[in-house]
Amino acid sequence: NAGVTQTPKFRILKIGQSMTLQCTQDMNHNYMYWYRQDPGMGLKLIYYSVGAGITDKGEVPNGYNVSRSTTEDFPLRLELAAPSQTSVYFCASRKNLADEQFFGPGTRLTVL
Amino acid sequence: AQKVTQAQTEISVVEKEDVTLDCVYETRDTTYYLFWYKQPPSGELVFLIRRNSFDEQNEISGRYSWNFQKSTSSFNFTITASQVVDSAVYFCALRSDNYGQNFVFGPGTRLSVLP
Repeated sequence: NAGVTQTPKFRILKIGQSMTLQCTQDMNHNYMYWYRQDPGMGLKLIYYSVGAGITDKGEVPNGYNVSRSTTEDFPLRLELAAPSQTSVYFCASRKNLADEQFFGPGTRLTVL
Repeated sequence: AQKVTQAQTEISVVEKEDVTLDCVYETRDTTYYLFWYKQPPSGELVFLIRRNSFDEQNEISGRYSWNFQKSTSSFNFTITASQVVDSAVYFCALRSDNYGQNFVFGPGTRLSVLP
């Protein structure tokens, strides 16, 4: 298993540009998550999904959108990039409610 | 409300010293899960341990040990005979059934092990 994969690893955006961060897991996990980690801080939940076709907001959803058309994929969309979205973005998944989360390697995004 | 506090922002030790990372949590739920993750300089997040609220038994895994005490709402992590490779940021996290999917992460403790 490749686990949780994320692309791209790095990206620089200009203010107002849009992009999609890709996340794929091959473990047949039901639950998937997007977090952001600002410098020197812990992780904050942006969006999550409990299964294909179902998504919900986390703690900091503004400026982002997600979709979950398949069990494997959970892309995160930034429509109008702002400097405040400069962060490292982590995708995670888990099988069941009691399980730990498995994290992808992260995407480092800079908005200038 | 749920909250995880890691009061130690940064810790520096010399190799072979023992070090304890503190984690204090807040939740009103009776069923919850506690986690520790390691984030080495390369940036990935590595799962270390999960504990549920009904299991207060301490755990040892090699040089790592965890002390879970519900009476003080703490889930502390001790590294014995620390090594340079232990240098990382360590996060404590909490999830409880009544708060659904949200894992609440502490701010992390940066551990530097000096040779």
